[in-house]
Amino acid sequence: DVKVTQSSRYLVKRTGEKVFLECVQDMDHENMFWYRQDPGLGLRLIYFSYDVKMKEKGDIPEGYSVSREKKERFSLILESASTNQTSMYLCASSLPPYREWGYTFGSGTRLTVV
Amino acid sequence: AQSVTQLDSHVSVSEGTPVLLRCNYSSSYSPSLFWYVQHPNKGLQLLLKYTSAATLVKGINGFEAEFKKSETSFHLTKPSAHMSDAAEYFCVVSRIYNQGGKLIFGQGTELSVKP
Repeated sequence: DVKVTQSSRYLVKRTGEKVFLECVQDMDHENMFWYRQDPGLGLRLIYFSYDVKMKEKGDIPEGYSVSREKKERFSLILESASTNQTSMYLCASSLPPYREWGYTFGSGTRLTVV
Repeated sequence: AQSVTQLDSHVSVSEGTPVLLRCNYSSSYSPSLFWYVQHPNKGLQLLLKYTSAATLVKGINGFEAEFKKSETSFHLTKPSAHMSDAAEYFCVVSRIYNQGGKLIFGQGTELSVKP
């Protein structure tokens, strides 16, 4: 069974901390994505990656960065966490073309910044 | 530009009655459309997808959706709701962007099922 694994289900961090959210997929997918999910706003794309060391900004990249050093791992970094980054974070991966396959999602990381 | 609108933020049905979750899309080309389901504190799971083959698409757990180009709709239906169907449902459209397509998510419809 294919899997996208997010390392933490729940995280509590302090304002100003540097936060790393990790995502690993075992499907050899080229494409990986980070979304945040907030009530009433649905899913919003933060960053995505088409290949190793390749990244592109999504719709709300401010305050975030990403790293993809290996094909199977895509990390989301909050350089200096703020309370408005409290959210559910979802990682996804896909074979191209997305319009054919859709995405496979991880179970999510619920981050609280205090 | 592509977009998707879920017409109801919350739908409540009784167990055993039909489910209808409404979705309209906007696309300048022939889209791919998906429905995903998210149970509480879980990730999203693909229910079904339309990729320009048959307009009536059958998915998992008895759900189906019909692509209607003339109405730009892709409504999700199920003949008989089960308690386990209570979840949030997302309608999704693909878009073309730079090197490939990405998916655009609707804002979600929360389905409640009463005993």
